[in-house]
Amino acid sequence: GAVVSQHPSWVICKSGTSVKIECRSLDFQATTMFWYRQFPKQSLMLMATSNEGSKATYEQGVEKDKFLINHASLTLSTLTVTSAHPEDSSFYICSAREFETQYFGPGTRLLVL
Amino acid sequence: KQEVTQIPAALSVPEGENLVLNCSFTDSAIYNLQWFRQDPGKGLTSLLLIQSSQREQTSGRLNASLDKSSGRSTLYIAASQPGDSATYLCAVRPWDQCGSEKLVFGKGTKLTVNP
Repeated sequence: GAVVSQHPSWVICKSGTSVKIECRSLDFQATTMFWYRQFPKQSLMLMATSNEGSKATYEQGVEKDKFLINHASLTLSTLTVTSAHPEDSSFYICSAREFETQYFGPGTRLLVL
Repeated sequence: KQEVTQIPAALSVPEGENLVLNCSFTDSAIYNLQWFRQDPGKGLTSLLLIQSSQREQTSGRLNASLDKSSGRSTLYIAASQPGDSATYLCAVRPWDQCGSEKLVFGKGTKLTVNP
């Protein structure tokens, strides 16, 4: 079946620094990838839709200058949290679409101190 | 605005019991509905996907039903096992004429199956 990986699986960073999270589709090409954020005991919330070769589409309330998304190839999308602060600490999950189905990555836990 | 609610938030049952998880959504205009499983600190595993034109889907011990008009779906787990312990998430894909593929998730039901 389709497999999506994320790197890193967890990261601790200092407030004010930037952190990049990678999402890869390992055995299929994905023109569209999605980035979600999940706070403890909360739903997954879609942050943005990443389209290969074009600008990402951000959901209302998500700062595009803070959460930079680059979908440079058909198998890789990156999310960069710029100038991270403690309130950005969360579980970030990506998914990649193949035909009608979204396949989810294992998630990246970000802790900003 | 589409909202998805899952009841109960948590459920603890003895091994072998049959159980039902509930999901409700506020807008019946959906493209499909999907049930996922999430293990602690992990990503999501898709269990069942029901298209809006379908009434149910089955996979092994799992059966999901969809009543679009009433905005409800249920996930039935037969003969539960300790390995079924996880959080079960329901998500709908709203019908959007602009072709949005956005999924709207519920908060999930945390299931514990006790040996």
